[in-house]
Amino acid sequence: AQSVTQLDSQVPVFEEAPVELRCNYSSSVSVYLFWYVQYPNQGLQLLLKYLSGSTLVESINGFEAEFNKSQTSFHLRKPSVHISDTAEYFCAVTGANDYKLSFGAGTTVTVRA
Amino acid sequence: GAGVSQSPRYKVAKRGQDVALRCDPISGHVSLFWYQQALGQGPEFLTYFQNEAQLDKSGLPSDRFFAERPEGSVSTLKIQRTQQEDSAVYLCASSLVTSGGYEQYFGPGTRLTVT
Repeated sequence: AQSVTQLDSQVPVFEEAPVELRCNYSSSVSVYLFWYVQYPNQGLQLLLKYLSGSTLVESINGFEAEFNKSQTSFHLRKPSVHISDTAEYFCAVTGANDYKLSFGAGTTVTVRA
Repeated sequence: GAGVSQSPRYKVAKRGQDVALRCDPISGHVSLFWYQQALGQGPEFLTYFQNEAQLDKSGLPSDRFFAERPEGSVSTLKIQRTQQEDSAVYLCASSLVTSGGYEQYFGPGTRLTVT
C-alpha cells in the first residue's frame, strides 16, 4: 500500500512570489506520482504526473515537480504565482501496477495581491 | 467535450434515509472509480469498476454502501440508512483504461450532508 503526506495544510503567498508545496510518499513498490488541483466548486484536475524518465516534470501553466526517489518526495513549485493559482492542491500516488490513487490531505494555496 | 458529471451536486438527508448518487463517466471510459472526501481530507478510494464488473470494493466503509454499474456506463452509489459520519463529498472518476499511469478524470462531486 502507498501513502502520502503533505506537510503544509495552508500556504499563503503574495502574487508574483515563488511557492513550494511539499509532498512525501511511502511505498514498497515502484510508484506513479500526481499533483491534482481543485479550484473552488470544481472537480479535481490533473496538474502534472511522474511516470518514468526525467525526474523533473512540468505543467502547461508554469508549475513543476521533481521526483526524488532517495527522499521519497515529489514537491511542487512555481517561481511566480498568480491570483488565479488560488486553489487546493493534492498530491497522489499509485503503485505502478495499481489503479487506485492514494491522496494527501491537501494544501490550500491563497495568493494575495 | 463532456467531462464526468455527477448528480445531485448537493444532497441533504435525514439520518436513516437512503440516498442514491449518480455518476456519468466520459463516454468510452472503461474504468470508473468512487472516492469519498471528508471535510479537510484528501479523497479516499471506495470502489472500482472495469466496465460493468466491480473488481474492487475494499474501500467501502460498511455494508450500507453499495455501488453498481449495470451497463458499463452510468454508475450509482447507494447509501442505506445514512449516518452522520457519511457526510462527505463523493467523487466519481473515470479513466480510459485500467493502469496506474492513465489519468483519472474527476467529476465535481456530490456533497452529502446527513442531519
